Amino acid sequence: DAGITQSPRHKVTETGTPVTLRCHQTENHRYMYWYRQDPGHGLRLIHYSYGVKDTDKGEVSDGYSVSRSKTEDFLLTLESATSSQTSVYFCAISATGLAGGPGNIQYFGAGTRLSVL
Amino acid sequence: EDQVTQSPEALRLQEGESSSLNCSYTVSGLRGLFWYRQDPGKGPEFLFTLYSAGEEKEKERLKATLTKKESFLHITAPKPEDSATYLCAVQAKAGGTSYGKLTFGQGTILTVHP
Repeated sequence: DAGITQSPRHKVTETGTPVTLRCHQTENHRYMYWYRQDPGHGLRLIHYSYGVKDTDKGEVSDGYSVSRSKTEDFLLTLESATSSQTSVYFCAISATGLAGGPGNIQYFGAGTRLSVL
Repeated sequence: EDQVTQSPEALRLQEGESSSLNCSYTVSGLRGLFWYRQDPGKGPEFLFTLYSAGEEKEKERLKATLTKKESFLHITAPKPEDSATYLCAVQAKAGGTSYGKLTFGQGTILTVHP
């Protein structure tokens, strides 16, 4: 999985509780991304980071926050989990954003399956 | 708005029966088109990137091609181990962002029977 570790791999939680998912990379890549994958919607970008403490919103960011205090770690937090956030969450990394060549290829982790009851 | 449509949604083949998957896209200036393979319970695995119309790339039994409106993933003499979901994604040229947003299609579920 291209030096990407997501934890936990599975989590069941209750509505209203806070949840933090972790993505750890060993590639020293600048860009990191959080996606969610749902049937009928494909992969959708939640938030991304283009450097330490540099983050921005994706297309489905409501209800999520992120933090990146070190190059290797990108955290996704659900402040108060809702049933609509039941999903599979994927972290991805890339060396560059839009620069040419293979650097803009995004590599994905194995995912975290989250169930909010 | 960038859009990616993959067809068919599901495809069943017999081992050795060649076929193609389609990825139609609309994007405000294509920077790159990406193909990924995803096995159940795993993350997407990168296969190919195509950057300009007419470009082709091959890997084992897979060959990806690109036109100005669509991409095809050709599978020649597939084997059961080729069974997976194949995802297509496009990346648009800079539009005020530099992070290389990928817009994904919903995927084609390929099943190859022995």
